[in-house]
Amino acid sequence: GESVGLHLPTLSVQEGDNSIINCAYSNSASDYFIWYKQESGKGPQFIIDIRSNMDKRQGQRVTVLLNKTVKHLSLQIAATQPGDSAVYFCAEYTGYALNFGKGTSLLVTP
Amino acid sequence: GAVVSQHPSRVICKSGTSVKIECRSLDFQATTMFWYRQFPKKSLMLMATSNEGSKATYEQGVEKDKFLINHASLTLSTLTVTSAHPEDSSFYICSARVRLAQETQYFGPGTRLLVL
Repeated sequence: GESVGLHLPTLSVQEGDNSIINCAYSNSASDYFIWYKQESGKGPQFIIDIRSNMDKRQGQRVTVLLNKTVKHLSLQIAATQPGDSAVYFCAEYTGYALNFGKGTSLLVTP
Repeated sequence: GAVVSQHPSRVICKSGTSVKIECRSLDFQATTMFWYRQFPKKSLMLMATSNEGSKATYEQGVEKDKFLINHASLTLSTLTVTSAHPEDSSFYICSARVRLAQETQYFGPGTRLLVL
């Protein structure tokens, strides 16, 4: 079965609010994780990554949290904007390729 | 930097014909390229790993005679869908791995294939 999965298939937030997208992984040996954003009809776009020796990493308006104890990953988007509407995937590095989770569709409403 | 292009972006073909999709790394050399398939509202599914100068490695369940992959240079990999059928209609996405940064992959914009 899939080793990477997402808790919620869709998430609707109001513009300006913070968004949290969650991801669970099952391979405790995974040591590198990436969040991608995919807009309709386009390829995935790198957002942020984190290695297993870190618990938190911040980017511009985005933060990734890694909880290795429960094998959980989350992406936090601050002050969500309409342009953030997309499908978000977490991916874990398997040693030679990326294994993608199912994706969460984020819809930002005005 | 690290731009990956795909051509064509969209293709419609008749059942039984073959379609070639190109994946190019524009400003870097990629020893490894990956081909993914994505169905509507689904995740990306790895089809095969393409290594420059050697045979591609296919994931379980992917027919290598159906999906021919050629990685002739450090900047170009091609996927040929042979004798395409309507069930091959999908969004095909390639990614390229930068030579020295092994985990980092840069994705192309995808190719929408519709087989009639």
